[in-house]
Amino acid sequence: GAVVSQHPSWVICKSGTSVKIECRSLDFQATTMFWYRQFPKQSLMLMATSNEGSKATYEQGVEKDKFLINHASLTLSTLTVTSAHPEDSSFYICSAELAVATDTQYFGPGTRLTVL
Amino acid sequence: QKEVEQNSGPLSVPEGAIASLNCTYSDRVSQSFFWYRQYSGKSPELIMSIYSNGDKEDGRFTAQLNKASQYVSLLIRDSQPSDSATYLCAVNRDDKIIFGKGTRLHILP
Repeated sequence: GAVVSQHPSWVICKSGTSVKIECRSLDFQATTMFWYRQFPKQSLMLMATSNEGSKATYEQGVEKDKFLINHASLTLSTLTVTSAHPEDSSFYICSAELAVATDTQYFGPGTRLTVL
Repeated sequence: QKEVEQNSGPLSVPEGAIASLNCTYSDRVSQSFFWYRQYSGKSPELIMSIYSNGDKEDGRFTAQLNKASQYVSLLIRDSQPSDSATYLCAVNRDDKIIFGKGTRLHILP
């Protein structure tokens, strides 16, 4: 199956700092990547859809100026949490969709963010 | 009505028995349906995708789809303790995948 990596796997930061999370498709090209957030015992909530070479599409209620998404190549998308607050602490997961159609998404291993 | 509904569980099934997981969805135009398995602290892992009415089998897993009833299920035969996890039902809508909250499955040794 398709492999998606994320880095870092976990990060602890101070309130007010910014954190960048990378999502890479290792063995396929992904024109579309997705960023999700999951709080404990909750389901995955889609934050934004990241399209290579264009602006990300954010879901309602997600601040685009706080969660900056860059999809500069067919294998890399980044999510930057700016001015992080403790309430941003969560499990952030990216997924990638194969460029050759199908809507099957392959998930990265996730990044656990803790904001102190 | 929630877009994708699942019983949160936990569903307890004896080892070796059949585990049956159910899901209903609200958008009649959805065409793609998925089951993901998520272990605690890990990201989801795709188990099955199904696009047509009927059954689709893959090893110990069988997905069942009934578009008229807007119902999709997952059967796990010969349940193993390693099957204990949260199972997420997912349905496509527009260009996105909408997830249910998941059903926690506990296989009793």
